[in-house]
Amino acid sequence: GENVEQHPSTLSVQEGDSAVIKCTYSDSASNYFPWYKQELGKRPQLIIDIRSNVGEKKDQRIAVTLNKTAKHFSLHITETQPEDSAVYFCAAGVMNRDDKIIFGKGTRLHILP
Amino acid sequence: DAGVIQSPRHEVTEMGQEVTLRCKPISGHNSLFWYRQTMMRGLELLIYFNNNVPIDDSGMPEDRFSAKMPNASFSTLKIQPSEPRDSAVYFCASSPHSGDTEAFFGQGTRLTVV
Repeated sequence: GENVEQHPSTLSVQEGDSAVIKCTYSDSASNYFPWYKQELGKRPQLIIDIRSNVGEKKDQRIAVTLNKTAKHFSLHITETQPEDSAVYFCAAGVMNRDDKIIFGKGTRLHILP
Repeated sequence: DAGVIQSPRHEVTEMGQEVTLRCKPISGHNSLFWYRQTMMRGLELLIYFNNNVPIDDSGMPEDRFSAKMPNASFSTLKIQPSEPRDSAVYFCASSPHSGDTEAFFGQGTRLTVV
């Protein structure tokens, strides 16, 4: 089955700098890659997703890249702000086959003042 | 729609007791997922349902865990007997089964087994 690895487990960046979180997946059939943000004590919420027919997607300060050959995908946050502090989860799934989403273990992002 | 609703929000129980967690998915969503979150293991998929039918329960850790979905608007996750290592936050999530694949999470149930 699918296995998603996520790095780093903890990341501290200065406010205003960029943050990058990287994930790898094992199932070459995976075609859907969402990213979720979980603030302290709250539920995970989708912030951006990418499907396998594109290599990059951007939404304001957030961008995701996908390299299907290498089975890598990454989340990039630019101009980080205090409210970006949270745990971020990458995930992978094969949509329209079994709809199962497997998550990475998460990255705790700290934005330093 | 109020979103995915889970109950209880918090549960403290003694080892050996039965625990039942409840979930009401978003109306019209055909897929329902149960996840367990711990510091060590992150978000683990326990089981998921499509149209009330269990599709994959390979993530259920032991026979002490069972899940049901008797209808489209209700699911339960039961642990019997509970053990201290079951302490975690349990999330239920639902998504439409129509190509739109975002999973909407409930608020979670924080389970503590003492």
